[in-house]
Amino acid sequence: GQQLNQSPQSMFIQEGEDVSMNCTSSSIFNTWLWYKQEPGEGPVLLIALYKAGELTSNGRLTAQFGITRKDSFLNISASIPSDVGIYFCAGQRNNDMRFGAGTRLTVKP
Amino acid sequence: ETGVTQSPTHLIKTRGQQVTLRCSSQSGHNTVSWYQQALGQGPQFIFQYYREEENGRGNFPPRFSGLQFPNYSSELNVNALELDDSALYLCASSSGQGGNTIYFGEGSWLTVV
Repeated sequence: GQQLNQSPQSMFIQEGEDVSMNCTSSSIFNTWLWYKQEPGEGPVLLIALYKAGELTSNGRLTAQFGITRKDSFLNISASIPSDVGIYFCAGQRNNDMRFGAGTRLTVKP
Repeated sequence: ETGVTQSPTHLIKTRGQQVTLRCSSQSGHNTVSWYQQALGQGPQFIFQYYREEENGRGNFPPRFSGLQFPNYSSELNVNALELDDSALYLCASSSGQGGNTIYFGEGSWLTVV
């Protein structure tokens, strides 16, 4: 089953607002990743984090690898309608990757 | 476009039947992982293949098996299908055994009736 606790489960926001979601785990991971999945497609990698404390941006997206290596967050600034989708966090340790249950984001124009 | 291709995209099988799903990894990637994603959930790790050998397995029964070929493409086989096997099956490729970024294909939707 899922070992990662991802929250919130869903968000309904207005276009232009900022979004924040996070993931926590009872286990330590070597890598944290954030994916976005749209209906009928596989997850698409947004940001990969390889070092505790690392803060990485990809356009309007910013993610951080927690100092304890047991958590990560993703922020989306100035949301737009095409940000709609399900966002998954994933923690990777060696050859095993565990996913959160996802955050479903809805953006109202 | 991740360069990971899967086939078929959709299929329907009857309980008790067997299914084979296929995956071509991204060029230069020698590691393939398979995941099962039930509706409304995150992907669950099934197993990983590295250089044609199984290199890690999640909590799935032995009727889930796989193969990796010399060109690093891979197959997922599921025997004695059960209704709960209905899900999106995702293939992901990466280079090396672990710690490298994983890229997903678009998945194969399996419905068991």
